[in-house]
Amino acid sequence: DADVTQTPRNRITKTGKRIMLECSQTKGHDRMYWYRQDPGLGLRLIYYSFDVKDINKGEISDGYSVSRQAQAKFSLSLESAIPNQTALYFCATSDRYIRTGGSAGELFFGEGSRLTVL
Amino acid sequence: AQKVTQAQTEISVVEKEDVTLDCVYETRDTTYYLFWYKQPPSGELVFLIRRNSFDEQNEISGRYSWNFQKSTSSFNFTITASQVVDSAVYFCALSSWRNQGGKLIFGQGTELSVKP
Repeated sequence: DADVTQTPRNRITKTGKRIMLECSQTKGHDRMYWYRQDPGLGLRLIYYSFDVKDINKGEISDGYSVSRQAQAKFSLSLESAIPNQTALYFCATSDRYIRTGGSAGELFFGEGSRLTVL
Repeated sequence: AQKVTQAQTEISVVEKEDVTLDCVYETRDTTYYLFWYKQPPSGELVFLIRRNSFDEQNEISGRYSWNFQKSTSSFNFTITASQVVDSAVYFCALSSWRNQGGKLIFGQGTELSVKP
């Protein structure tokens, strides 16, 4: 099983609908992130959480909200989806500390959730 | 502000050619981390390398090599003797020591196509 799991993997919805993308992880990491990928724009940070009680806006948070239900779960919501939110969404985790020889600030990604808003 | 620029949007080569993917970054931090990720056609993001700002030693891993030059704020990635399986989008990314890593800022990505 994947260490970082995203559901759903694919979703088609209509403008104005509420959508939730869920992410769960078994890596035991404190930090979780939601990124959005658009062609030619790379990955842009939507929200991030350094622990359960710490949630921060990223570069492009407008139109999105998040919930950190537990250390292992971080959900992204689109309260009223619009077509320009059509994108590939990635959840990621990272360790709290830079560990020499181990994971060192790198992100571990889920497999992505492709969202299409009509 | 931090920024990563990958000026090459698309690169196309023929198998066995060498290819270099450019990455230029901007940061005011003196301690930072640089990364490369690969995104094959299947869509997942695969970690390739992390480099600390205080370690300018170049690194080689099989056909992959990375050239880090603080003087030019560049962290370029070279694939030697490219193969069709190298076809993917490659992302360069930057994070600040103050964030203990994580919270990566990504470049726009370079799509590499290796033709047989």
